[in-house]
This record gives sequence, structure tokens and C-alpha cells, in this order.
Amino acid sequence: AQTVTQSQPEMSVQEAETVTLSCTYDTSESDYYLFWYKQPPSRQMILVIRQEAYKQQNATENRFSVNFQKAAKSFSLKISDSQLGDAAMYFCAYRSKGSQGNLIFGKGTKLSVKP
Amino acid sequence: GAGVSQSPRYKVAKRGQDVALRCDPISGHVSLFWYQQALGQGPEFLTYFQNEAQLDKSGLPSDRFFAERPEGSVSTLKIQRTQQEDSAVYLCASSRSPPYEQYFGPGTRLTVT
Repeated sequence: AQTVTQSQPEMSVQEAETVTLSCTYDTSESDYYLFWYKQPPSRQMILVIRQEAYKQQNATENRFSVNFQKAAKSFSLKISDSQLGDAAMYFCAYRSKGSQGNLIFGKGTKLSVKP
Repeated sequence: GAGVSQSPRYKVAKRGQDVALRCDPISGHVSLFWYQQALGQGPEFLTYFQNEAQLDKSGLPSDRFFAERPEGSVSTLKIQRTQQEDSAVYLCASSRSPPYEQYFGPGTRLTVT
């Protein structure tokens, strides 16, 4: 069975600085998807970024980018120029490519942004 | 268009009561997922529908949990004889079909006293 581990329960960053959230996963599959979701205090989960395992190029969405290391089974999220609105819980998630689509989530990292 | 909506947003139930949680997916979305999110944890998969067919219910924690989507749109998650360990946020998500993005609702926070 696949597992997702987020080893940082809480992180803090100064506004305008850069922060990196860590995620590791375990799988025997060769093709899959990885995601980072943001869950603000209102609790509506929002997709931040997606990576397909067969693509070697790291995904980027504006200030958000990932460092995908397939051999190490590592998938970290870098947030550049942090903003107050980035404060939220961040969840790393895994999905098997051939599956119906259900996501396997890590326990999350609570990100605080200091003004 | 409108996003995924869930009702009620908050529900307090006495232990032993039955509850029903509703999910209205985005119109036209074929796939619908239910997740359970305990306090301080990530969401965990409960069950999956493709249209009206429940294709996977492997995550339902006990036979007290039951989900349906009779017309392939609105879904209801029912919990019978609620227990304290059922206290959690129940999230619903919908998507057009894999591998498309899942859109999540705001969740229903269930508290069993």
C-alpha cells in the first residue's frame, strides 16, 4: 500500500521569504501523480500544484514549485515570496495512475506567515 | 459555475443517533469521493462513485456507514448509531473523471457527544 509522510507538523516563514515543505512517499508503482493541496482555515481544500511521475521536469505554478526526486521518493513544495494569504495547512497527496482517483494524503504541515 | 457544496456545515449528534450528510457536486462531474478528516490528520478515503455506481467502498470504517448517489448527482453519506470516534470533518470531492482535478467541498464537521 502507498503511504505519504510529511515530517514537519508546523513551519513558519517571514513574509516575502521562501519556504520549503517536505514530503516523502512510498510506492512500488512506477507511474502515478503527486499533489500539493492547500487547506485554509475555512477548510475548503484547493489544489496548488500537480506532478506526473513520468515527467522529469518539475512542475511550477507562479510562486509555487516542486522538487520531485523520483528515486528518493521525495516531493517538496517551495513557496517563493511568501504572502500572508499562504498561511494554511498544506497536504501532500498521492494518486495511482491506473486507479479510480482516490487520493492518499499525508498528515499535513501547518504554515504560518509572519508579517 | 458553483463549486461543490455540502450540508449541513456543522452537525452535533448524540451518541447513537443517525445522521445524514449531503454533497452537491459540480454539475456534470462523473466522479464523487467521500473522505473523513479526523482532527489534526489528513483526509482519508471512504468511498467512490462513478455516476450512480458505488465502485469502491473499501474505506468505510464499519457497516454503520452507508453512502448513496441514486441519480448520479447528489450524494448522501449516512452514519447509523453514531459513536464518538465518528467525530470528524467529512469532505466530499468531485471530478469530471480521472485523471482530472478533484474539487473539494467545505466539509461537514460532525461532533458526536
